[in-house]
Amino acid sequence: DVKVTQSSRYLVKRTGEKVFLECVQDMDHENMFWYRQDPGLGLRLIYFSYDVKMKEKGDIPEGYSVSREKKERFSLILESASTNQTSMYLCASSSGQGIDEQFFGPGTRLTVL
Amino acid sequence: GQNIDQPTEMTATEGAIVQINCTYQTSGFNGLFWYQQHAGEAPTFLSYNVLDGLEEKGRFSSFLSRSKGYSYLLLKELQMKDSASYLCAVSPRGGGGNKLTFGTGTQLKVEL
Repeated sequence: DVKVTQSSRYLVKRTGEKVFLECVQDMDHENMFWYRQDPGLGLRLIYFSYDVKMKEKGDIPEGYSVSREKKERFSLILESASTNQTSMYLCASSSGQGIDEQFFGPGTRLTVL
Repeated sequence: GQNIDQPTEMTATEGAIVQINCTYQTSGFNGLFWYQQHAGEAPTFLSYNVLDGLEEKGRFSSFLSRSKGYSYLLLKELQMKDSASYLCAVSPRGGGGNKLTFGTGTQLKVEL
C-alpha cells in the first residue's frame, strides 16, 4: 500500500514565523502535491511537483514556497505565517501512470495565532 | 478556468440508494475522479471515469457524460459508515504532473 506521511498532525505557530511542513511518500511516485482545505472552499492546490527539483504553481501559491530535493520528500514552506494561513494542509502523491489517482497523507492542522 | 459544482449536503436512509451529482466546466478534460473523505481523515480514491458511461465497483458506481459535463456517484445499500464527504475532481490534462481541480464536496449523512 502507498503510504504518505506528514510530519505533524497539529501545529500552532505565531504570526511572522517561518513554518515547514514535510511530506514523505514511500512508493517512488513521480508527482507530489500540496493542498489546503477550508470549509466551503474545498481542496485547493497550492503547489505541485512532477520531478525532483521541479515545481509548478497551483491555484493559490501566494505566501507559500516548496522544495523537492529528493523524490520521496516534498516540503511546503510558509515564509512568514499569517492568520489567514490557518487551515488543514494535505499532501498527496501519484505515480504519473495509468489512472494516476492521488494518495493523500493524513493532513496537518495548522493554526497561526 | 475550471468550475465544478456539487450539492453541499444530502441526507439518506440506511439501506437506500443515493445519487450525488457533479457538473463541471473545464478547459480540457482527461478524466473525473470521486474521492471519499470521512471527518478528520484523508480523502481516499473511489472511482475514475474517462469515457462516457457507467463504472461499477461493488456498492458504488460512477457515471460520466462528457458532452454534458456531468457525472454522478451512485451509492447502493447505504450503510452508516458511508456518512462522509464525497469529492468530485476533474483532471484537466494528462501526462506528468496530473493535477486535479476539486469541487467543494457533498456531505452525505446516512440516517437510520
